[in-house]
Amino acid sequence: GAVVSQHPSRVICKSGTSVKIECRSLDFQATTMFWYRQFPKQSLMLMATSNEGSKATYEQGVEKDKFLINHASLTLSTLTVTSAHPEDSSFYICSAFLRGGGSYEQYFGPGTRLTVT
Amino acid sequence: GQSLEQPSEVTAVEGAIVQINCTYQTSGFYGLSWYQQHDGGAPTFLSYNGLDGLEETGRFSSFLSRSDSYGYLLLQELQMKDSASYFCAPYTGGFKTIFGAGTRLFVKA
Repeated sequence: GAVVSQHPSRVICKSGTSVKIECRSLDFQATTMFWYRQFPKQSLMLMATSNEGSKATYEQGVEKDKFLINHASLTLSTLTVTSAHPEDSSFYICSAFLRGGGSYEQYFGPGTRLTVT
Repeated sequence: GQSLEQPSEVTAVEGAIVQINCTYQTSGFYGLSWYQQHDGGAPTFLSYNGLDGLEETGRFSSFLSRSDSYGYLLLQELQMKDSASYFCAPYTGGFKTIFGAGTRLFVKA
């Protein structure tokens, strides 16, 4: 099946620094990727839609200047958490859709656990 | 707007059958997906119903009734490894999925 990778899997950073998370589609091209965050024992919250070659679309309440998204190629989207604070500590997951045979299958990366100290 | 309702928790024993129901309200609807997520891991795709009826994939089956805005995931021959969270996710177009709170399934020996 389709594979989406994320890097790094875990990162610890100091408050005030920036962290970049990469999301790659390994065996298919993804013009659109999605970024979610998930707090412990809660559901996935869609943060933004990453569009190759154009600006990301952010969900209501998500600060675009804080969560910078770049989708420079058909296989890579990056999320940069700028000036991270402890409340940004979360599990960040990217995904991409694969459409075929009348089915819409969303493939998720393994996630990145961010801890801001 | 959009709303999703699933039971928050379900407990069942190994070898049993469990059904996780989902009712939804969306503006625009193409089909219903189900995802499984183990603690600490990312969600994995289980099934998609684009048409009414039952879709079977091994021990898992999923059902959709568009007229009732209702679907369910049926897990048979439960195994301990099936303990996880299960999310129903309506697909409303634009390749975007909104997840509800999910159902935590606990499988007991």
